[in-house]
Amino acid sequence: SYELTQPLSVSVALGQTARIPCGGNNIGTKNVHWYQQKPGQAPVLVIYRDINRPSGIPGRFSGSNSGITATLTISRAQAGDEADYYCQVWDSNIWVFGGGTKLTV
Amino acid sequence: QVQLVESGGGVVQPGASLRLSCAASGLTFGSYGMSWVRQAPGKGLEWVSLMSYDGSDKYYADSVKGRFTISRDNPKNTLYLQMDSLRGEDTAIYYCASAGTNYATSSFDYWGQGTLVTVSS
Repeated sequence: SYELTQPLSVSVALGQTARIPCGGNNIGTKNVHWYQQKPGQAPVLVIYRDINRPSGIPGRFSGSNSGITATLTISRAQAGDEADYYCQVWDSNIWVFGGGTKLTV
Repeated sequence: QVQLVESGGGVVQPGASLRLSCAASGLTFGSYGMSWVRQAPGKGLEWVSLMSYDGSDKYYADSVKGRFTISRDNPKNTLYLQMDSLRGEDTAIYYCASAGTNYATSSFDYWGQGTLVTVSS
């Protein structure tokens, strides 16, 4: 079965750029989606199909996907960006989530 | 705006059954695939099941296959999850989420607030 690998945690200084990787076999050939989840809240979609931002998501959030790694990038990180972030793909009628990365600002 | 509201969670004993509901509003329910995603306490997200917009296709994670049944009532804008033979490892918050019709490219655009299922003796 397909697996997605994320680091357990990433730290970033206030105002700097955070990069959260998501590794998977040939993930560059798949559509990757990213979700943000704050404590006690439901997940929120922040990037879909590798690079697209839903309406209402700040332009500081961006995504990329190539080879064996997809990356969520958060520029000018703010305290309010502290959350868990999950990548997700579809593979043969299975919807797969990465284990999640806790972002500390 | 889109609202997904789950209900039906609770505390049950191992081996019991429970039926979750997800009431949708603010979207053309019958045009969306719909899914259940769960999150065990302190753990990550786990996809559970998905049903196509018209109910013709159903998919399940191996962990629930044969025990859980997804269904929907489009005129009532409601998604269901029948959970039988519940186990301790099914303890989680269960979220419903909307999906598109192209599974290879669609994300889970909208999420409910979740309903907690606790399986314990």
